[in-house]
Amino acid sequence: DAGVIQSPRHEVTEMGQEVTLRCKPISGHNSLFWYRQTMMRGLELLIYFNNNVPIDDSGMPEDRFSAKMPNASFSTLKIQPSEPRDSAVYFCASSLREGTYEQYFGPGTRLTVT
Amino acid sequence: AQTVTQSQPEMSVQEAETVTLSCTYDTSESDYYLFWYKQPPSRQMILVIRQEAYKQQNATENRFSVNFQKAAKSFSLKISDSQLGDAAMYFCASNQGGSEKLVFGKGTKLTVNP
Repeated sequence: DAGVIQSPRHEVTEMGQEVTLRCKPISGHNSLFWYRQTMMRGLELLIYFNNNVPIDDSGMPEDRFSAKMPNASFSTLKIQPSEPRDSAVYFCASSLREGTYEQYFGPGTRLTVT
Repeated sequence: AQTVTQSQPEMSVQEAETVTLSCTYDTSESDYYLFWYKQPPSRQMILVIRQEAYKQQNATENRFSVNFQKAAKSFSLKISDSQLGDAAMYFCASNQGGSEKLVFGKGTKLTVNP
C-alpha cells in the first residue's frame, strides 16, 4: 500500500496567490481529514469528509479556505487569497470509519507564504 | 469540549533505558479510542499504539506499551530499551464524542541521549 499521498511536499508562494494542496487517501478508506500544524496552535483539524461528503468544517479558519472531495481517491484544500499567517504544515489523513478510528497521515505539505 | 493534556513539553532518556510519557484526557463517553502518534524530524505522523477504552488489558507493540487507567483518565506511553530512532515528538490523541474526530495533545519532545 502506498499510504496517503500528498502533493506538493513544499510550496512557497507570495501573499495573495491561490494555493491548492492535494491528497490521495489510502485505497478503501472512506474518511479523509485535513489538518494544519503550527508551533503556536499545534495540530488543528480543519475539515473532514466521510464518503466524499463534508461532515465537519468547523475548523476551517475563514472563507479563504475551501476543501473538496470529488471522488473517493482525491481531495483538495484551496487557499485563496493566501496570507503569511497561513504558513504551516498541512496534513491529510485517512481512516476506515467502520474501524477503530485510527488515522493514517500523509507526509504533509510545508506551505510558506511570503 | 474534549481535551487531551500532555504535561511534559520535553523529556530525555539515555539510550537503552526506559521512559514514560504522560497523557490525561477528559471525556464523558464510556467507549472511545486512545492513540499515541510519533512525529520524527521528517514530520511524518506515525501511529505507535492504540487502546480501546472497553479493553482492560493494556496495549503493547514491541518496545512500546501503555498504562491505561480509565477511572483516572490517564493514558501513558512507556518506551523500553530506548533507541536513538525513538527521538521525536509524541502526541496523545482520543476520538471525540464517539465520532471520528481526533483531539490531539500539544505533544512531548523526546530526546534520546547516546
